[in-house]
Amino acid sequence: GEDVEQSLFLSVREGDSSVINCTYTDSSSTYLYWYKQEPGAGLQLLTYIFSNMDMKQDQRLTVLLNKKDKHLSLRIADTQTGDSAIYFCAVVNTGFQKLVFGTGTRLLVSP
Amino acid sequence: DGGITQSPKYLFRKEGQNVTLSCEQNLNHDAMYWYRQDPGQGLRLIYYSQIVNDFQKGDIAEGYSVSREKKESFPLTVTSAQKNPTAFYLCASTPFEGSSGANVLTFGAGSRLTVL
Repeated sequence: GEDVEQSLFLSVREGDSSVINCTYTDSSSTYLYWYKQEPGAGLQLLTYIFSNMDMKQDQRLTVLLNKKDKHLSLRIADTQTGDSAIYFCAVVNTGFQKLVFGTGTRLLVSP
Repeated sequence: DGGITQSPKYLFRKEGQNVTLSCEQNLNHDAMYWYRQDPGQGLRLIYYSQIVNDFQKGDIAEGYSVSREKKESFPLTVTSAQKNPTAFYLCASTPFEGSSGANVLTFGAGSRLTVL
C-alpha cells in the first residue's frame, strides 16, 4: 500500500523560508495535499496539487511536485511565528480509494 | 457558517467502558470519515461512509463501531475491545466528487479521549 514519509521536526527563524518535504510510494497518486494543524485543533487545508502539475503557488506558499522521484515539498516564504504548527502531507490514488497521511512535520518558528 | 462539530472536546473513560464520540456536519457532504491521531504516527483511518446506511472499515477498525443513519451524523463508539483507546480522534467530511474531483476533506476540531 501507499507509504508517505515526512521528517518529524523543522526549526527556522522568523523571516526565513521553510521547506517541508514529503515522499510517497504510489506512482498512481492523483491529488497531493498539504494540511496544517495547530495545537489541539483539527486539520485545515493549505493547498493541493494535481499530479499533472509540477508547481503551484498561492501567496507565501509554493508547492513543488517531482513525480519521477515521488517527492512533494511545501515552501513557506517569510515564515512567521503564527506558522508554527504541524504540517501533514497527504496523497490519494485514482478513484479516491484511500487518502494516506504522512506522520506530520512539526514546524517551530523562533523570533 | 457550515462546518463539522465534534463533541465532547475532552472525554475521560474508565477501562471496560464504551464511549461514543459525536460528529455532526451541516455541509451537505456525502462522505464522512473517522481518523485516530497518535503522536509521531500521523492520522490513521478507522471507518468511513460514503452514503447513508453504509460504511466501510479503515486500517484500524478493530475495537470501534460506527453508524450512519442520517447524512449529517456519523457517531463513533470506542468499545472496551479497543486495547489502547487513548488518542485524539478527528472526524472529517467531503462532498465526494469521485475520481474527477479533489475531494478536499473538512475536519472537525477533534475529541481527545483519555482512558484512566
